[in-house]
Amino acid sequence: GENVEQHPSTLSVQEGDSAVIKCTYSDSASNYFPWYKQELGKRPQLIIDIRSNVGEKKDQRIAVTLNKTAKHFSLHITETQPEDSAVYFCAARKENDYKLSFGAGTTVTVRA
Amino acid sequence: SAVISQKPSRDICQRGTSLTIQCQVDSQVTMMFWYRQQPGQSLTLIATANQGSEATYESGFVIDKFPISRPNLTFSTLTVSNMSPEDSSIYLCSVEPYTSSGLANYGYTFGSGTRLTVV
Repeated sequence: GENVEQHPSTLSVQEGDSAVIKCTYSDSASNYFPWYKQELGKRPQLIIDIRSNVGEKKDQRIAVTLNKTAKHFSLHITETQPEDSAVYFCAARKENDYKLSFGAGTTVTVRA
Repeated sequence: SAVISQKPSRDICQRGTSLTIQCQVDSQVTMMFWYRQQPGQSLTLIATANQGSEATYESGFVIDKFPISRPNLTFSTLTVSNMSPEDSSIYLCSVEPYTSSGLANYGYTFGSGTRLTVV
């Protein structure tokens, strides 16, 4: 199956600074890349996703970039706030498959 | 996106017993997925449940241990059988939305999870 690696495993940023999380995938047939935010004790929530025909997508303070050649995609959070503190998971899905393969997760802590 | 009701939210069970977890979706979905999430870990796919066919299990998971039912396009159950303390975990269902024009390829959503403790 698809192998998704996620870095860093933990990230601590000062409030107002930016946070970047990077994921790499192994299968060039992957064409859908969602990002999930999971707060403690809660379900994973989709925050943004990107398809392979797009290089970048933004939604307010959140953006995702995709480099198909290098097979990596990144989550960018600008002007971080304490409520951004959570675990973030990247995932990838291969074309003609329905399963998501998840990265190991990044614990983001925003320091006030 | 689909709204999923999952229950129970938590349970404490004796070893050797079984627990059935239910997921009800507010719209028709083709694929339902069952995940396990150990504390502080990522999501591990147990199986994919497609209505009208046998569930497809991932490596390391077997039907005798995790039987799944999928009687219609809005409902599924996962049973954790003959439980041991190693089965203590959070179990989550997830769906990929289905539309009348075909499969939607975005918007996977999750149930609220079942926190299982086996003693």
